[in-house]
Amino acid sequence: EILLTQSPGTLSLSPGERATLSCRASQSVDSTYLAWYQQKAGQAPRLLIYGASTRATGIPDRFSGSRSGTDFTLTISRLEPEDFAVYYCQQYGRSPPEFTFGGGTKVEIK
Amino acid sequence: QVQLQESGPGLVKPSGTLSLTCAVSGDSISTNYWWTWVRQPPGKGLQWIGEVYLDGSTNYNPSLKSRVTISVDKSKNQFSLKLSSVTAADTAVYYCATSTYYSLHHWGQGTLVAVSS
Repeated sequence: EILLTQSPGTLSLSPGERATLSCRASQSVDSTYLAWYQQKAGQAPRLLIYGASTRATGIPDRFSGSRSGTDFTLTISRLEPEDFAVYYCQQYGRSPPEFTFGGGTKVEIK
Repeated sequence: QVQLQESGPGLVKPSGTLSLTCAVSGDSISTNYWWTWVRQPPGKGLQWIGEVYLDGSTNYNPSLKSRVTISVDKSKNQFSLKLSSVTAADTAVYYCATSTYYSLHHWGQGTLVAVSS
């Protein structure tokens, strides 16, 4: 089973600042199978990024995803007030087929 | 744009069976998605439960596999979740979602199910 470790647990930033969120896999993960979600309090998660770097429909371009080895990064270039939320990474494993999620990073207003 | 809506009892007794339905609108359930269930215990992270394809093929979380059944009803454009032998640890918000390109693109609003006597 591939484990995903997200860091930091909490990120305290001001609007307009850049946010860098990390997701480390316990073993190699194909970029095709890595996604990022945003979840606001009391709401369902929303897909932001799939295939490690492809923005989902309607997602603003201040959100971007990248990969370096087993480390995946979600970057929010300039935080807007509506971006303060919890972010989860997710990977899809083929054998057996299953989704696993990281523990989440909370981006809070400083 | 596909829309999903969960429904079912909000309270289930311990050792009972949790049963939820996800109604699909805006698209046919015969669309090329895997139809998925995810849950989130209060204050905790997300856990994938399993998925079903329109031909009835299923994949389940190994930790829940012995208790889970997910099925699709094409005539009603909906799919369902059954989780047996529930305990308090199964208390969670349950979401239905669509899976494509190895990610979950559309989500229902979620429904809270509490396990309590």
